[in-house]
Amino acid sequence: ETGVTQSPTHLIKTRGQQVTLRCSSQSGHNTVSWYQQALGQGPQFIFQYYREEENGRGNFPPRFSGLQFPNYSSELNVNALELDDSALYLCASSSDRGADTQYFGPGTRLTVL
Amino acid sequence: AQTVTQSQPEMSVQEAETVTLSCTYDTSESDYYLFWYKQPPSRQMILVIRQEAYKQQNATENRFSVNFQKAAKSFSLKISDSQLGDAAMYFCAYRSPGGAGANSKLTFGKGITLSVRP
Repeated sequence: ETGVTQSPTHLIKTRGQQVTLRCSSQSGHNTVSWYQQALGQGPQFIFQYYREEENGRGNFPPRFSGLQFPNYSSELNVNALELDDSALYLCASSSDRGADTQYFGPGTRLTVL
Repeated sequence: AQTVTQSQPEMSVQEAETVTLSCTYDTSESDYYLFWYKQPPSRQMILVIRQEAYKQQNATENRFSVNFQKAAKSFSLKISDSQLGDAAMYFCAYRSPGGAGANSKLTFGKGITLSVRP
């Protein structure tokens, strides 16, 4: 069974740029949730994708957007990057629209200069 | 809205000893799920243990067990026979019952850094 994978591992961008982060869900899972983890904090829920549609959103602005593909992999896009977007971005996959246990990937460390 | 509080930022334990990590939460829901996740320096969040609020019996997973006090809204993690590999950040998390979409989001505490002394 393949676990959750994310790419890239690290990324450095400058303020105002756009970034795309990728997540491959665990085999058999149809739901991907994205979280932002600032340094020294617990993860904060960004949004969830289920069967290619956004299925719930946390308190993040519209410049945070996403996609889910037919194979249930997902992308997180952030436009107009701000310094405060520097964080570890985690994706978690699960079945049953998140009602089941969520399993996390290793994360992408984004640094905005 | 639900909140999760981990008031101890750091703890230390001697190898082979037992340590307890504290967590409290606030909710108006009667049924929910609670989790402890471990995040080692590799950054990957690993599920340690899960507790369903409707179950009175405390969950156990090998050396890990919880003390779930529903009335007190307390959910502590006990690690027995601590090993060097247990050193990590530990997060307590809450999830609503039967939730889907945003209702299935995990609400995390700020975490506690556990160090293990050889």
